[in-house]
Amino acid sequence: TQLLEQSPQFLSIQEGENLTVYCNSSSVFSSLQWYRQEPGEGPVLLVTVVTGGEVKKLKRLTFQFGDARKDSSLHITAAQPGDTGLYLCAGEGYNAGNMLTFGGGTRLMVKP
Amino acid sequence: KAGVTQTPRYLIKTRGQQVTLSCSPISGHRSVSWYQQTPGQGLQFLFEYFSETQRNKGNFPGRFSGRQFSNSRSEMNVSTLELGDSALYLCASSSLTSGLTKFFGPGTRLTVL
Repeated sequence: TQLLEQSPQFLSIQEGENLTVYCNSSSVFSSLQWYRQEPGEGPVLLVTVVTGGEVKKLKRLTFQFGDARKDSSLHITAAQPGDTGLYLCAGEGYNAGNMLTFGGGTRLMVKP
Repeated sequence: KAGVTQTPRYLIKTRGQQVTLSCSPISGHRSVSWYQQTPGQGLQFLFEYFSETQRNKGNFPGRFSGRQFSNSRSEMNVSTLELGDSALYLCASSSLTSGLTKFFGPGTRLTVL
């Protein structure tokens, strides 16, 4: 069974601060995805990383896939209240078909 | 294109009853996956259908079942409901052209009393 450990579970910060969310596993994944979910809605894909060591930037968000393809991080620079939400990492294992294994999520609150 | 739609959005049932949830994928998407989301367990994979065939199944009891129709719409059924089945049930669709990208619906919030 593949597991993804996400940390921290909760994060409450002030507007303008930086933060990093971590996603770790003992298993190797063919790809890793990050989603953001708001109350009453389904998760929305932010990014997919597929190459070990890959770094992707999406405005103030920076995503990294570990060299060994077992871990990933999401860094937000100068957080805004609009960044508030549940951040989920999800891995697609080799031979897992179309199945995603999700981390437990990080609930982020950015206070103005 | 319209997004993934799920009906109903909210449902209240009692223990022992059964329930059917519906998911309409994005037009042209032939793969539909179902996930259960609870505060304690997070998002867990239930099953995936592609062209009316179940391709993958998660670690859930046989009370959870699903099917997909020729128009790619999918239903999932839970029989003999238990309190622990209370959750947000999410459906996601994808296509060969969308690759790894899954598009999630808003979910059906099921409460079992």
